[in-house]
Amino acid sequence: ETGVTQSPTHLIKTRGQQVTLRCSSQSGHNTVSWYQQALGQGPQFIFQYYREEENGRGNFPPRFSGLQFPNYSSELNVNALELDDSALYLCASSPSPSTRYEQYFGPGTRLTVT
Amino acid sequence: ILNVEQSPQSLHVQEGDSTNFTCSFPSSNFYALHWYRWETAKSPEALFVMTLNGDEKKKGRISATLNTKEGYSYLYIKGSQPEDSATYLCAFPHSGNTPLVFGKGTRLSVIA
Repeated sequence: ETGVTQSPTHLIKTRGQQVTLRCSSQSGHNTVSWYQQALGQGPQFIFQYYREEENGRGNFPPRFSGLQFPNYSSELNVNALELDDSALYLCASSPSPSTRYEQYFGPGTRLTVT
Repeated sequence: ILNVEQSPQSLHVQEGDSTNFTCSFPSSNFYALHWYRWETAKSPEALFVMTLNGDEKKKGRISATLNTKEGYSYLYIKGSQPEDSATYLCAFPHSGNTPLVFGKGTRLSVIA
């Protein structure tokens, strides 16, 4: 196991609603990245937080936002949910933002938007 | 647009067979290449982070090689076991501070 946990495991929301997904990183890891995995695709980078500040963002609209807290927990918030937001959301922590370090993934949250 | 290609998309082998699959990435401005194993209903697990041309890394029956000049990495599994059944993902960053771009993965099924 990677020591990274995510909650909830599954979630069903209605189009237009808002959702918050949570991640608990490994202790000591100051970097967390969030990914969206649609069916048949590899994980796609949403954004990264380093020491509680956003440290890079992928091609996702501003209704995707995040927070990172000093206790190694973090959140992904999605406003005005759309049907295409249905996907598996993964968080991954690492001891540094450098990509020479491996990332430690959680098991993901499966979001279904109806 | 940065493309990371993995082949084959899926693979079925018999227990005891050895197998390999490929990750292709842009050969310019290489920084690192990641391999992850993702079993169903579990977290993706890091296998290797490779940084040097000609790198060979090994973990048990799994090994990987890297050719940064031609832009590919091979992952080898010797004597496949049913517990090796998983999706194997590779990921490539443009630089040290850019995000990982993942391939779609190779889905391996090992039949007992």
